[in-house]
Formats: sequence, structure tokens, C-alpha cells
Amino acid sequence: KAGVTQTPRYLIKTRGQQVTLSCSPISGHRSVSWYQQTPGQGLQFLFEYFSETQRNKGNFPGRFSGRQFSNSRSEMNVSTLELGDSALYLCASSELTSGGANEQFFGPGTRLTVL
Amino acid sequence: AQKVTQAQTEISVVEKEDVTLDCVYETRDTTYYLFWYKQPPSGELVFLIRRNSFDEQNEISGRYSWNFQKSTSSFNFTITASQVVDSAVYFCALSPLGGTGANNLFFGTGTRLTVIP
Repeated sequence: KAGVTQTPRYLIKTRGQQVTLSCSPISGHRSVSWYQQTPGQGLQFLFEYFSETQRNKGNFPGRFSGRQFSNSRSEMNVSTLELGDSALYLCASSELTSGGANEQFFGPGTRLTVL
Repeated sequence: AQKVTQAQTEISVVEKEDVTLDCVYETRDTTYYLFWYKQPPSGELVFLIRRNSFDEQNEISGRYSWNFQKSTSSFNFTITASQVVDSAVYFCALSPLGGTGANNLFFGTGTRLTVIP
């Protein structure tokens, strides 16, 4: 099976712009989670989507949003970019079973630089 | 509230030495999962292990072993006979067991391991 893919891998934007990042999960995985990784705050959970619905959300401002399509691909959007949004954005996919907290498979990430 | 503490920011060892990475967690949940992930320079997080709060048995996988002690809220990771390829940042993480928050991983700040040849 192909792994989790994220596009683009690198992105440079300027303050005030908006950006859309894309994530394609492993085939058959219906849960997609997004994480932000920065040197200062570490790895932080942004949100999780399952069956096109947001199941859980971390503590981020409303400028961060996401969606999931019927084929389980997901996008996240950041509007009105700030310098502090520069980070590695990681997407993870997992199967969802009643046991919960399944192994999450991570993509290579999108490195966003805001100038 | 969930919290994971990895007090060791950086560790350097010489190849073939054993090394233990510490992880201490806090949670009000009575049931939860603990994880270890490896992040090599490429950036992709690689899953190493998942352990649920019911199972305190230690686990060994090749050169890797994990020691889970609920009494001290610790989930330590030992690499035996370290190799240069083990150089990476290692993250310990915690999540609720089940429910809508099950895939919300709370990560520690990571330990950067450098294995010197």
C-alpha cells in the first residue's frame, strides 16, 4: 500500500495570505488527523476528520480549518497567515475501530514558511 | 488534562552503547494509550509501539524494549547496542482510549538521540 502523501512538500507564503495543504491517506483509512510541529511548541494536534466530519479539534484559532472529501482525502487551510504559522504540518491517517487510538501513519509533512 | 514530559532534550552515545529514553505522563483518564514515535531527519514520524493502560507487561522488539510502570506514570524506551541509524528525535505520546478524542495524540517535546560511530 502507498503511504500517506502530502502536497506540497514545501511552501513559502507572505503574511496575510492564505494557504491550502493537502493530504491523501493510506487506502482504506478513513480517519485523517493534522498536527503542527514548531521548535517552540512542539507537536500539537490541530483536528481530526472521519467520514467527512470533524471529530475532534485542538486549541487553534479559527484561521485554521480543514475538510475531508468522500474519498477520505483531506485539506487544511490557514487564512491570514502570521509569522508564527511557519511550521511543519503533518498529516496522519488511521483505520478507525471501536478500540480507538489506532496506530497513526504519518506523512512526510509540508514545511510552510511565512515571510 | 494530558501532559507528557521528556526531560532529556538531547542524548549522545557511542555506537553499541545502551541508551534509555525517559517518558513521564499525566492524565486524569483511567484508560489511555501510550506511544513512541521516531522522527528521522527526513521529518516523517515512524510508529514504534502502542501500549494500553491495562497492559503493564514490558515489551521487547529486537534491540528495542519498553518499560511501562503505571505506579510512576512512566513509559521508558531502551535501545540496546545502539547504531548510527538510531540517530533521530524520539517522541513519547499519550491519547485517550476510545471516544472521539482517541486519535488526538499529546506529544512530549522529544529527545534528540545522536549515536556517534
